[in-house]
Amino acid sequence: QSALTQPASVSGSPGQSITISCTGTSSDVGGYNYVSWYQQHPGKGPKLMIYDVSNRPSGVSDRFTGSKSGNTASLTISRLQAEDEADYYCNSYTPSITLPFVFGTGTRVTVL
Amino acid sequence: EVQLVESGGGLVQPGGSLRLSCAASGFTFSTYFMHWVRQAPGKGLVWVSRINSDGSKTNYADSVMGRFTISRDSAKNTLYLQMNSLRVEDTAVYYCVRDNNFKIDYWGQGTLVTVSS
Repeated sequence: QSALTQPASVSGSPGQSITISCTGTSSDVGGYNYVSWYQQHPGKGPKLMIYDVSNRPSGVSDRFTGSKSGNTASLTISRLQAEDEADYYCNSYTPSITLPFVFGTGTRVTVL
Repeated sequence: EVQLVESGGGLVQPGGSLRLSCAASGFTFSTYFMHWVRQAPGKGLVWVSRINSDGSKTNYADSVMGRFTISRDSAKNTLYLQMNSLRVEDTAVYYCVRDNNFKIDYWGQGTLVTVSS
């Protein structure tokens, strides 16, 4: 499998909502409800924002929501804030022993 | 609080070796699968290797198979990555991550490995 496909960049104004897509195949995103989303600020390690398609870890704002339809997962950020400006990566479990986790290509979110 | 702290990165010549370490704390290390994930400068995240909870099973990406070895020491709560025959394309920040039921839930801050002559 190759990387999951994400848009290179998405932008929005403060207060607006944006959605990032993550497209895979029936062997990863479409086959399992094990899709996660990560936020990464420059020079930092990624932070888990969504797991198992639509669950939020404790402490993550409810402005972040996840969903999935077929082979495409989505992350929506509502009421966009300046602090949301970062790179976002999706990730899916796969049954492959040489690639048990496949990541998305990454999306740069810019708050205008 | 879960903490993963990587160390051991640095500058190495092509063909050289390096061993990365990851000190884990704040959870029962011996009960979790652990992985290494890397990120080349300005690029995305790529899975490298996995080890099961008792260290008896390991898996590797095709790009590092035969050159990298993952291991763990539960007495020291430490994960390792021995990297041999390093190539320029192995240059990246290497992250130690925890696997919690099909999701990576914690990441370290990463350690930079630079392979260059």
